[in-house]
Amino acid sequence: QKEVEQNSGPLSVPEGAIASLNCTYSDRGSQSFFWYRQYSGKSPELIMFIYSNGDKEDGRFTAQLNKASQYVSLLIRDSQPSDSATYLCAVNIGGGADGLTFGKGTHLIIQP
Amino acid sequence: GAVVSQHPSWVICKSGTSVKIECRSLDFQATTMFWYRQFPKQSLMLMATSNEGSKATYEQGVEKDKFLINHASLTLSTLTVTSAHPEDSSFYICSARDWTSVNYEQYFGPGTRLTVT
Repeated sequence: QKEVEQNSGPLSVPEGAIASLNCTYSDRGSQSFFWYRQYSGKSPELIMFIYSNGDKEDGRFTAQLNKASQYVSLLIRDSQPSDSATYLCAVNIGGGADGLTFGKGTHLIIQP
Repeated sequence: GAVVSQHPSWVICKSGTSVKIECRSLDFQATTMFWYRQFPKQSLMLMATSNEGSKATYEQGVEKDKFLINHASLTLSTLTVTSAHPEDSSFYICSARDWTSVNYEQYFGPGTRLTVT
């Protein structure tokens, strides 16, 4: 059974600090990993995707993947109040033909 | 970026009636679209995979006769909730992948909030 685990939070971070979000997954065959941001009542918005072990940076966001540990994380630098949202980790096992398995999400609060 | 639209954005229907939700990829072609459902304070759950020109693939526990999916073109997939009941009230979200892209990211529509009374 495919499982994606996240700490539901809330995770409270001061404005300007680094927010660190974590995710573990159970299926070793997982190939691609995604981070989505979801505001209340809205649909998810893609932030980043990562396929290879290591770090991937895009602006204030850095995704980190460790397939051996079955662990993926998202770092948000210089956190802003507008970053307050639920962050969903999603995993794709078989590639583009497969739907995504989502974690329950981490609720992030950036304190001004 | 890739844009996916959904219609309607919200709908209220009476128990026992059917509701159709449309999902369109506006600036790309999508041979595969996905339908998800999200209950309050829960995460997205994949319901089915919609393939253009063929039958949809349903996840375990999702009734294919209740949730009818049609993917008649490369830009349109529809989900029909038949004989809707209050327990079907949920946030239905579709996604699509641009198959010309080398990446596997899925772009989500804005969602349809269904309330069955």
